[in-house]
Parts: sequence; structure tokens; C-alpha cells
Amino acid sequence: SQQGEEDPQALSIQEGENATMNCSYKTSINNLQWYRQNSGRGLVHLILIRSNEREKHSGRLRVTLDTSKKSSSLLITASRAADTASYFCATDRSSGNTGKLIFGQGTTLQVKP
Amino acid sequence: ETGVTQTPRHLVMGMTNKKSLKCEQHLGHNAMYWYKQSAKKPLELMFVYNFKEQTENNSVPSRFSPECPNSSHLFLHLHTLQPEDSALYLCASSRSFPGASGGYTFGSGTRLTVV
Repeated sequence: SQQGEEDPQALSIQEGENATMNCSYKTSINNLQWYRQNSGRGLVHLILIRSNEREKHSGRLRVTLDTSKKSSSLLITASRAADTASYFCATDRSSGNTGKLIFGQGTTLQVKP
Repeated sequence: ETGVTQTPRHLVMGMTNKKSLKCEQHLGHNAMYWYKQSAKKPLELMFVYNFKEQTENNSVPSRFSPECPNSSHLFLHLHTLQPEDSALYLCASSRSFPGASGGYTFGSGTRLTVV
């Protein structure tokens, strides 16, 4: 069953603007991860936030996690045309030792130059 | 290059054909995964291997048969596929198990078209 759901499904912004994507999930997690996928390519790991963390930064990326609301957000600041891609959240569930990530449907981001 | 190499990049096969997808990593990871990505659907986990042992088969039809001869190589054998099996097949690996505390490293995928 689908664990993560991203919102919005599609986002179009101008270069230089900030982009915010949200992810909601259903079960308890060990960690939540964000990935980027350029068209027709593999996914690239961006950032991981553990269940006991609330905020994490990596360059122009800022991720927050609210375990009480079972939600996370990814903020990309000062966006660039090269940020155009699909962004996925993935959750590593805390129950069961399956070692698997469950992905959401993703947010398609278009950054216009 | 991410360190996870998938071949071939593109594959067109008939419904009666038999083909194999290959995935290779030399990152020292001990867990490997197959995912299926269809249009307008979330990535679907197919199989999980940890130290060459299959630990997850996510109700995948038997026309998909995985093989993991060692921790660096993973295959997906295909036979008598259906057109709806056309998708991007992604291989990934991770360092730790259980869970993926360091994140997954994905290959570029094999774009499969079944005709």
C-alpha cells in the first residue's frame, strides 16, 4: 500500500523562487528520505531525516519532519532551472525488519528560467 | 555514474521472449532491490535481497524471476511478459540492513517495452 503522498502533484515556479513540497505518511517510521529523479533516469538520494529529528539542511535544501502529523516538507531555496525534476519522499517503516523504502507518487517541479 | 550500473538501458521484447536485466554495484553494499516504475504510479518494490538472500517478494508474478549470485550482482529474469509490464525497472542498493539509514543508490534503470 502507498505510504507517502506528496503534495502538490505538480509545481511550476520561476527561477530564483522557493519551492515547497509536502509529504504525508501513514505509519510510524525510522526515517524519511527525499529523492530527485530527472526524466527517465534513476533516483538520486537528496537527504535523510530520522524520526527523532525535526529539521535538516543540506545546501539549498531544507527538510522538516513532524511525526505527530506524520508529515514532512522539502524546501528548495533560490531555485534553478536545473532543479526541474520529480521529487519523491520515501519512508523506512519502524515495524518489521524488511529493509525496504516505500515511495510516494512524487511532485513534478518545473523551474522556468 | 552512481556506482550502480544497469544493463541494458532499453529493451523491447515480445510476449514470448525470455530476457534478463542486470544490475551491478561495487559500492560494498549488502542489500539490493528491484523496483518497477510505471507511468502515474508510485515506485513499486518488487524484490529485496540482503547478503544474497531474498527477504522480500512483494507479490510479484512468477513471470519475473530474480537472481542474486553475490552481493554485487542482481538479475531479473523475464519470460512471457504482458504489455502492462512495460515500465522503467530500477535497481538500487544500500549499505545497511535492515532499513536504509544511508539512503539507496539507484541505477539509471532499464526502460522495458513489451510488444
